[in-house]
Amino acid sequence: DAKTTQPNSMESNEEEPVHLPCNHSTISGTDYIHWYRQLPSQGPEYVIHGLTSNVNNRMASLAIAEDRKSSTLILHRATLRDAAVYYCILTPNAGNNRKLIWGLGTSLAVNP
Amino acid sequence: DAEITQSPRHKITETGRQVTLACHQTWNHNNMFWYRQDLGHGLRLIHYSYGVQDTNKGEVSDGYSVSRSNTEDLPLTLESAASSQTSVYFCASSATGNQPQHFGDGTRLSIL
Repeated sequence: DAKTTQPNSMESNEEEPVHLPCNHSTISGTDYIHWYRQLPSQGPEYVIHGLTSNVNNRMASLAIAEDRKSSTLILHRATLRDAAVYYCILTPNAGNNRKLIWGLGTSLAVNP
Repeated sequence: DAEITQSPRHKITETGRQVTLACHQTWNHNNMFWYRQDLGHGLRLIHYSYGVQDTNKGEVSDGYSVSRSNTEDLPLTLESAASSQTSVYFCASSATGNQPQHFGDGTRLSIL
């Protein structure tokens, strides 16, 4: 099962953009890239996902490298509520997503 | 609004006792999952189900069991609680295919 590599922690200032990187060099051609985040004392929350093309939603943007071996989650204007652990996960396209492999994610601190 | 709820939120019990954690979702999702989260580890899959009467073992299933008698519920049972099972437990659900998982807020279980 393909795994992902993320920095342990990152820091940002409020109202500035944040770029959270993820490496997934062993990604297969059919794996989706999912991002979740986990706020303190809560369960993980879905943020965004994509396959090949860049994706945007109300929470964030996902930029996927052309070779798909890395991706970047972009928070356009960080707020204090965005302080969380962010997980990058590969999801097999075939069948159900039972084989999610959760790493330790990136702990994002947002300074006022 | 649809939701997924876990109960209890906190529980303390003694080794050797049987413990059941409840998970109830109103998304009408076929897929349901149980994870545990410990310091130094990512989320680890305990059991999962693709539908009524279907259950499958995850990567850390020893000492745990689940049953799926309806779409909404997937209770997790610790047959004989051990101190190594002290953890935070998360339940999640998803629609079929490659859809995102929706998580509950977790149950913090302490086994003394």
